[in-house]
Amino acid sequence: DAGVIQSPRHEVTEMGQEVTLRCKPISGHNSLFWYRQTMMRGLELLIYFNNNVPIDDSGMPEDRFSAKMPNASFSTLKIQPSEPRDSAVYFCASSETTDTQYFGPGTRLTVL
Amino acid sequence: AQSVTQLDSHVSVSEGTPVLLRCNYSSSYSPSLFWYVQHPNKGLQLLLKYTSAATLVKGINGFEAEFKKSETSFHLTKPSAHMSDAAEYFCALNYGQNFVFGPGTRLSVLP
Repeated sequence: DAGVIQSPRHEVTEMGQEVTLRCKPISGHNSLFWYRQTMMRGLELLIYFNNNVPIDDSGMPEDRFSAKMPNASFSTLKIQPSEPRDSAVYFCASSETTDTQYFGPGTRLTVL
Repeated sequence: AQSVTQLDSHVSVSEGTPVLLRCNYSSSYSPSLFWYVQHPNKGLQLLLKYTSAATLVKGINGFEAEFKKSETSFHLTKPSAHMSDAAEYFCALNYGQNFVFGPGTRLSVLP
């Protein structure tokens, strides 16, 4: 299996622009997680889906952030409008249950 | 509430010496516990996990961890450090749909 796939790997954008991060979970996994990692705050869970349904989005920072999972093999995390403080590495992870999570390589986002 | 504490933000060892990375947890239930490793500019990779079977868990790359319920600890050890072990290590717990990561411990290995 190819593992969790994330794109793009790096994104540089200007403040105010819309950013869309993409994730393809491991085939057969029914839970998907979005995390944000920064030096200051460490690893933060933003949202997770189970069977394509958002279960807990309490970690989403504010209304500028939204996530969707239209089918079992694809999810997006969108930031609109982006701000410099959104600069971070965003990880997607998937699991067969909500037990062991397998992480993607991450997307490094820089908002200028 | 459930939480994970990693007592050391940074641990430095010499190559060939033992490694000990400490993790304590707080949970009202019997959680599953995990150790992940993150190399620079990489995603998190699962090292090992405990799910109420044997209390001593062996993982990849010679790491192991022992679950001690009385001490609410799940410390990670390795008998002999290798340069390639230099990375960030995260302890995590899971119970049901609640997944919590510790703040991480950065391991440096000196030649």
